[in-house]
Amino acid sequence: KQEVTQIPAALSVPEGENLVLNCSFTDSAIYNLQWFRQDPGKGLTSLLLIQSSQREQTSGRLNASLDKSSGRSTLYIAASQPGDSATYLCAAPGYNTDKLIFGTGTRLQVFP
Amino acid sequence: EAQVTQNPRYLITVTGKKLTVTCSQNMNHEYMSWYRQDPGLGLRQIYYSMNVEVTDKGDVPEGYKVSRKEKRNFPLILESPSPNQTSLYFCASGVELREAFFGQGTRLTVV
Repeated sequence: KQEVTQIPAALSVPEGENLVLNCSFTDSAIYNLQWFRQDPGKGLTSLLLIQSSQREQTSGRLNASLDKSSGRSTLYIAASQPGDSATYLCAAPGYNTDKLIFGTGTRLQVFP
Repeated sequence: EAQVTQNPRYLITVTGKKLTVTCSQNMNHEYMSWYRQDPGLGLRQIYYSMNVEVTDKGDVPEGYKVSRKEKRNFPLILESPSPNQTSLYFCASGVELREAFFGQGTRLTVV
C-alpha cells in the first residue's frame, strides 16, 4: 500500500532563502510524482510533474527531483518570496490502484 | 482555458436534505475523481471514474454517490447529508493518473 509522507509539516523562513521540501513514498514502482500548491481555502494548482524516467523537473524558481530507489522526492524553491507562502503537497499513484495518494503537506510561510 | 469547474463554491445545508455538487471539465479527460479534505487527514478519495459509465469507490465512499453519464461531467451526490460530511471537496480530472487538474473546491457545511 502506497504511503506518502512529507516533512517538515510547517516551515517559516525569511524572504530570499533557498529551501527544500521533502516527500517520501513507500512504493517505488510509481510512474510519476506530482507536486501541488494550495492556498488557504482554495484548490490545488499543479506545479511540477515528474515522470518515472526523469530525475528532475524545473519551472522557474522551482526544481523537483525524484529518486525512486530511495523513495524520495524533493521540491527546491530558490530565492523564496512572500508570495510562495502556501501549503505544498506531493502525490503519487497508489500501487495497483487508480488513485493519487497525497501527503499531508508542508505549510510554508515566507516572511518579508 | 483548460479548467475543472465545481459548483457551488460554498454551501450550507441541513441534515438530510439531498444535494448535488457539480463538476465539469473541458479537457476531454477520461479520468475524474472526487476528494474531500479535512484538517489533519489530508486529501482522501471518495469516488473516481475511469470513463463514461465506469465509476468505483475510493477510500471514503460512504454517504456519497456519483454518476458519469457524460465524459465532461462527474456530479457528487449526497442523498442524506450529515454533519460529518462537512468538509472541503475537490473534483479532479486527468489523463489516467498522469496529471491531475483540480477544481477550486466546494466548502460544504452540514448543520
